[in-house]
Amino acid sequence: DTGVSQDPRHKITKRGQNVTFRCDPISEHNRLYWYRQTLGQGPEFLTYFQNEAQLEKSRLLSDRFSAERPKGSFSTLEIQRTEQGDSAMYLCASSNANGPGREKLFFGSGTQLSVL
Amino acid sequence: DAKTTQPNSMESNEEEPVHLPCNHSTISGTDYIHWYRQLPSQGPEYVIHGLTSNVNNRMASLAIAEDRKSSTLILHRATLRDAAVYYCILTGGGSQGNLIFGKGTKLSVKP
Repeated sequence: DTGVSQDPRHKITKRGQNVTFRCDPISEHNRLYWYRQTLGQGPEFLTYFQNEAQLEKSRLLSDRFSAERPKGSFSTLEIQRTEQGDSAMYLCASSNANGPGREKLFFGSGTQLSVL
Repeated sequence: DAKTTQPNSMESNEEEPVHLPCNHSTISGTDYIHWYRQLPSQGPEYVIHGLTSNVNNRMASLAIAEDRKSSTLILHRATLRDAAVYYCILTGGGSQGNLIFGKGTKLSVKP
């Protein structure tokens, strides 16, 4: 088990282009989370899945963002018509449900997005 | 969600103990106290969590005040690899892992 992996590690794109990131969680984990982190700030929650069901979305997740986890394993996060304000580190995390409050999240190393 | 307050930064010398404080005066009875840390260019890493009693693991110790309004993460012997941003986070109630990170405490370790 190699932990949570994210691909690519870095992505540079031009404003208006679409980008897609992939996350492979720890294999036995049923929950998968997406976070966004800008420089000097802590990570901000975007959305999470339990198996293939997307159960919660933050108001930060505009309609240009879409996330999927089609078979309850890997997940993709797509950003359409990117804007410079989308430049950030996109972090994926996975966990097993351990009861309210006790859940431990395991994070990947993130995808650094730069929108020119 | 209950909030936490941490110092922006702290310094420590290598091989000395480090006490990282966190205030959470509005904590509710069902909130757990979690600590994560984030090394440069990496995602956050779980460190430890507790509810009421002090907790120890291979990475650190967590001391929780009797009234639970504050807690302290203790690194017993700081190493250069412990230089990171440390986040104190409350979880519980209906939260499902949508952790609310603040800015954390940036720990610098001097050789």
